[in-house]
Amino acid sequence: NAGVTQTPKFQVLKTGQSMTLQCAQDMNHEYMSWYRQDPGMGLRLIHYSVGAGITDQGEVPNGYNVSRSTTEDFPLRLLSAAPSQTSVYFCASTVTSLSGANVLTFGAGSRLTVL
Amino acid sequence: AQSVTQPDIHITVSEGASLELRCNYSYGATPYLFWYVQSPGQGLQLLLKYFSGDTLVQGIKGFEAEFKRSQSSFNLRKPSVHWSDAAEYFCAVGDTGGFKTIFGAGTRLFVKA
Repeated sequence: NAGVTQTPKFQVLKTGQSMTLQCAQDMNHEYMSWYRQDPGMGLRLIHYSVGAGITDQGEVPNGYNVSRSTTEDFPLRLLSAAPSQTSVYFCASTVTSLSGANVLTFGAGSRLTVL
Repeated sequence: AQSVTQPDIHITVSEGASLELRCNYSYGATPYLFWYVQSPGQGLQLLLKYFSGDTLVQGIKGFEAEFKRSQSSFNLRKPSVHWSDAAEYFCAVGDTGGFKTIFGAGTRLFVKA
């Protein structure tokens, strides 16, 4: 199994451009999420989804859109990139439980630079 | 709101020395606690977790952590550090009422020969 696959691994954008970070998992996990990692701030939750058609905001959702049309895919969209969105982005998934006892499986990350 | 504090931004230890990484959490109920490790250029991997029961939990790669409710702490320990342990370590708490996992800022471990 591939686990959680993120593409692209690296991307450079100009301010105002749009792009989509792709995330796919082959483990039939219901829960998927996006985090951004910035130096000294750890990982901050952007958006998450508990199943197809269901999404919700995390700690830092502004400037990002998500959708979940299938169990496998959870793309993250930047509609108008800003330099503040320069970061490393991680997608993570897990089998949904009724509690917070969820062990996350992470992708390898996507490094985004906005000039 | 739940939060996680890792007081040490970075720690340097000698190979073969013992290690303790500190983690304090803020959460009203019994927390679900995790330690993840991130090697350079990689995603995060679970080291160990605490859900309930024995407060001393064992993980992979010889790591252990102890949950102390009175101190709101979940410190990570290893008796003898190897050079391959050099990485960034993240403490995290799971939201029992939902599906969010909140991470600390991380502690970067350097291992010197």
